[in-house]
Amino acid sequence: TQLLEQSPQFLSIQEGENLTVYCNSSSVFSSLQWYRQEPGEGPVLLVTVVTGGEVKKLKRLTFQFGDARKDSSLHITAAQPGDTGLYLCAGAPGNQFYFGTGTSLTVIP
Amino acid sequence: DAGVIQSPRHEVTEMGQEVTLRCKLISGHNSLFWYRQTMMRGLELLIYFNNNVPIDDSGMPEDRFSAKMPNASFSTLKIQPSEPRDSAVYFCASSLQDLLETQYFGPGTRLLVL
Repeated sequence: TQLLEQSPQFLSIQEGENLTVYCNSSSVFSSLQWYRQEPGEGPVLLVTVVTGGEVKKLKRLTFQFGDARKDSSLHITAAQPGDTGLYLCAGAPGNQFYFGTGTSLTVIP
Repeated sequence: DAGVIQSPRHEVTEMGQEVTLRCKLISGHNSLFWYRQTMMRGLELLIYFNNNVPIDDSGMPEDRFSAKMPNASFSTLKIQPSEPRDSAVYFCASSLQDLLETQYFGPGTRLLVL
């Protein structure tokens, strides 16, 4: 059992569509991070959410931290082929750091 | 400024051989992380150093794995003896202070043990 479960695991959509990716846990996190990993590269941090209920926007990407700080979501508006990649949530409920199971997104032109 | 540097980028070896992976941190960063990524298990933290001291090595699979940080800018991850199930992509990452800050990842080392 993974501490951070992401859904869906795989997502293939057409350019211009909207999508939402979820990151869920039974543990409380002081903060959650979202990373994007492109093929053949290491993950790159997109955002960190800290406060329960917080919403952060990064261009067409909207990140939300759950009120109870156990879950988070990433919404992409009008997806583009450049959004293709593996999206990972990550955090430390205690002294150990975990990455989520990942959502592999493919945006078809 | 250069990012995290890892070498080699690719390694193919035979079962039983020793493998050494190398990592150079971003200058001024105090924390170093070694990760392993596989399709089955995703991205797993193996070990975390802060100011050259190992803080958490609970993710190290077994005694065949060892990591060192001989100075503030360099680290090695050694597997001896290697086994086919060690095949994975190994990432090194560094951060300014600790594991809750932004981690900057290297390009990874793709290891195949035959």
